[in-house]
Amino acid sequence: GQQLNQSPQSMFIQEGEDVSMNCTSSSIFNTWLWYKQDPGEGPVLLIALYKAGELTSNGRLTAQFGITRKDSFLNISASIPSDVGIYFCAGQQAITQGGSEKLVFGKGTKLTVNP
Amino acid sequence: EPEVTQTPSHQVTQMGQEVILRCVPISNHLYFYWYRQILGQKVEFLVSFYNNEISEKSEIFDDQFSVERPDGSNFTLKIRSTKLEDSAMYFCASRARAIGTQYFGPGTRLLVL
Repeated sequence: GQQLNQSPQSMFIQEGEDVSMNCTSSSIFNTWLWYKQDPGEGPVLLIALYKAGELTSNGRLTAQFGITRKDSFLNISASIPSDVGIYFCAGQQAITQGGSEKLVFGKGTKLTVNP
Repeated sequence: EPEVTQTPSHQVTQMGQEVILRCVPISNHLYFYWYRQILGQKVEFLVSFYNNEISEKSEIFDDQFSVERPDGSNFTLKIRSTKLEDSAMYFCASRARAIGTQYFGPGTRLLVL
């Protein structure tokens, strides 16, 4: 089945540092999404990407949809303690192109920020 | 800001019992989903629902599972006879249109003893 390879699995950084994580797949996706999950809570959408090559920012977060449509990265600049959590990438194929509407999730990147 | 809500937040049940997990999607959304997340693992798709019928289901979603939209606001997931391996966080999600973002609820933590 479709799989997303997300890396790194975990990161330990100092407050103020920049962070980068990415997802790759052997399948093409038409939408890439990045979610953050705090312990015991549901995934919260951070950034949605709908076009290949698209670069989108949301505050200190920047994400890009790869040209091949098989990868995406998320950068967090100047990290702060509340950035702690698990970050998931998720891909979706277009229903209109015969794809599935389900989201396929990566395994997550656990981020720890030391003050 | 509208959000997806889920009840209960936690449910403990005995193996073999039936459970119903409830969700209230965002009010103008048309596409509804259930996902689950076993502790420490990634989020996995269970089922999608549109126009009062299942549009897709995963291998996990076997005959013990069913979904229903009994009225204009609720969307439920029923597990007929729970197994130990059904213990997980169950997330409901909804989406407004065919191409758009899925918004997740806070989840129901199900523990089967």
